[in-house]
Amino acid sequence: DTGVSQDPRHKITKRGQNVTFRCDPISEHNRLYWYRQTLGQGPEFLTYFQNEAQLEKSRLLSDRFSAERPKGSFSTLEIQRTEQGDSAMYLCASSLATGLRDTEAFFGQGTRLTVV
Amino acid sequence: AQTVTQSQPEMSVQEAETVTLSCTYDTSESDYYLFWYKQPPSRQMILVIRQEAYKQQNATENRFSVNFQKAAKSFSLKISDSQLGDAAMYFCAYRTIIQGAQKLVFGQGTRLTINP
Repeated sequence: DTGVSQDPRHKITKRGQNVTFRCDPISEHNRLYWYRQTLGQGPEFLTYFQNEAQLEKSRLLSDRFSAERPKGSFSTLEIQRTEQGDSAMYLCASSLATGLRDTEAFFGQGTRLTVV
Repeated sequence: AQTVTQSQPEMSVQEAETVTLSCTYDTSESDYYLFWYKQPPSRQMILVIRQEAYKQQNATENRFSVNFQKAAKSFSLKISDSQLGDAAMYFCAYRTIIQGAQKLVFGQGTRLTINP
């Protein structure tokens, strides 16, 4: 396993179109996180899963955004009716939670979305 | 809600010299984790160093060390013997220890340039 993998690396879409991103975490990791990073800013939390359960969603995650992790492995993040303000880097991270402890989060290289 | 502030948008240092990046945070919790992440251009974010708030001893990882001042809510990163490969965005991040709320809260980042 070579780490967290995200696909695609870059996506250019027209305003109003739907887009879907995929994240493959490190195989034994049970937690998966999505963050959004705009230019010159730090990443902002969007949502996270423990196994297949979505446990927390940020208020940044409007109703146009939906995330799934159907079998507790890979995850998808879909943005419907994209807007120019959705242009950002979307980062995925994973970690292993055992009992009360949680390993560090390992990040993927991100998907850069440009809405034109 | 917790907040993290990095007041230095950019820093530069001569190769082989020492540089310190600043970070302050705000929280009402007594126990938590603090991290420094490095994000090289077009590459994924990687963990540089981690500090657990209940530990008084400052964390050290090779050329990287922190100055953790809990009462002042300050968490600076010192990079000794700077190398060209240290050039990157550096993000300070906070994470609660409360189960079920494991998201990272990031600062705005500091862009570090290494001058040869």
